[in-house]
Amino acid sequence: AQSVTQPDIHITVSEGASLELRCNYSYGATPYLFWYVQSPGQGLQLLLKYFSGDTLVQGIKGFEAEFKRSQSSFNLRKPSVHWSDAAEYFCAVGALIGGSYIPTFGRGTSLIVHP
Amino acid sequence: NAGVTQTPKFRVLKTGQSMTLLCAQDMNHEYMYWYRQDPGMGLRLIHYSVGEGTTAKGEVPDGYNVSRLKKQNFLLGLESAAPSQTSVYFCASSYRQLHTEAFFGQGTRLTVV
Repeated sequence: AQSVTQPDIHITVSEGASLELRCNYSYGATPYLFWYVQSPGQGLQLLLKYFSGDTLVQGIKGFEAEFKRSQSSFNLRKPSVHWSDAAEYFCAVGALIGGSYIPTFGRGTSLIVHP
Repeated sequence: NAGVTQTPKFRVLKTGQSMTLLCAQDMNHEYMYWYRQDPGMGLRLIHYSVGEGTTAKGEVPDGYNVSRLKKQNFLLGLESAAPSQTSVYFCASSYRQLHTEAFFGQGTRLTVV
C-alpha cells in the first residue's frame, strides 16, 4: 500500500537558518507528491507538488523540494527560515484507492522557529 | 471566491447525540474528501466521493456516514457521537486529474463530552 513517512515530529530552527524537512514514500510507480503547510487554526495550503519532469520543484514562500527516486524521498527545503514559517508541514502522496488517486498524508512535522 | 466552506466551525456534542457537518465547494471539483486530524496522527481519510451520488470508505470510516446528493456538497454525519470522535475535521476537494492538488476548508473542531 502507498504510504508516506515523516520521521521528524518536531524540528526547531533559528530564524535565518536553513531548513530541511524529510519525507519518505512507499509507492510502486512514479508517485504524485505534495507538500502542504498548516498554520495554527487553519486548513492546509499547498506549498508545491511533483508529478513528472524536473526533480527539483519550486513552491510558494521560498520553499523547494527534491524528488529522489533512488532514496524514495521528497524532502522540503528552505535556505533561510522566517518566524512566520512556524507551522505544521505535511507530505502527501496520491495513493491509488479504489481506482482513484486519493491524497494520503504523513503524520506531519511541526516547525518551531526561534528568534 | 469562497473555495471550500465548512459548517459549523466549532461544536460540542454530548455522547450519543447526532450531527451533520456540511462541506460546500464552488470550484466544480469532482472529488471530495473528509479527513480527521488528531495529534500525532496526521490526517486520516474517513470517506471520500469521486462524483455526485457516489461515496466510498477511507481509512477510518466507522461511526460516520456521508452523502453527496449534489456535486458541490459533501455531508459527514455522526449518528451517535462518542468521545473518540473528538477531533478536527477537514473537508477537501479536487479535480479528478492525477496531478492536481486538494483544496481544504478551514476545519471543524468537534468535542464530544
